[in-house]
Amino acid sequence: DGGITQSPKYLFRKEGQNVTLSCEQNLNHDAMYWYRQDPGQGLRLIYYSQIVNDFQKGDIAEGYSVSREKKESFPLTVTSAQKNPTAFYLCASSLAAANIQYFGAGTRLSVL
Amino acid sequence: GQQLNQSPQSMFIQEGEDVSMNCTSSSIFNTWLWYKQEPGEGPVLLIALYKAGELTSNGRLTAQFGITRKDSFLNISASIPSDVGIYFCAGQVAGGTSYGKLTFGQGTILTVHP
Repeated sequence: DGGITQSPKYLFRKEGQNVTLSCEQNLNHDAMYWYRQDPGQGLRLIYYSQIVNDFQKGDIAEGYSVSREKKESFPLTVTSAQKNPTAFYLCASSLAAANIQYFGAGTRLSVL
Repeated sequence: GQQLNQSPQSMFIQEGEDVSMNCTSSSIFNTWLWYKQEPGEGPVLLIALYKAGELTSNGRLTAQFGITRKDSFLNISASIPSDVGIYFCAGQVAGGTSYGKLTFGQGTILTVHP
């Protein structure tokens, strides 16, 4: 089955801890994206990657980091510098940068 | 940066009624997309629009790309309970520093009473 897999579905972070959210796609898409969703707001772009080994900051990159070592994978690390990490995180991918984006099922991150 | 205003913010309707929602932008987009999100899930693409004036249907859903390229509309006819969810518009600009990036509206929460 082709698609975008995000894991885990739910994640809890302790104070001062870094946590990593996984995003894997088997659609052979070049571009991948991370969004943050808060209640009552649209999706906001954290980071995006148009090609392997390259990524750019989105609108709200502070406190987050990413890597793109493989075409299929685009993990997001929420660092301790992100003071308000509680949100629903969505990963997306597209065939190329200007194409339609398809989304994973999301990871809900909460702070303990 | 680009701003998208989506309205209404929420709608409570009876099963069988038609629904209309819209998005307006302060700047021009090359592509308009409409997504639906159900609780605890990621958005699913409903309709993609690529040309000003384009009118596209997907079952009971119809969307239009505004002539000015600054707005888009989504209509749902004869609503059913499974239409419940959050509907998002998204605009995309090709070229320049915004290449490929989507700008999302705030979403319209749709509730359908049987």
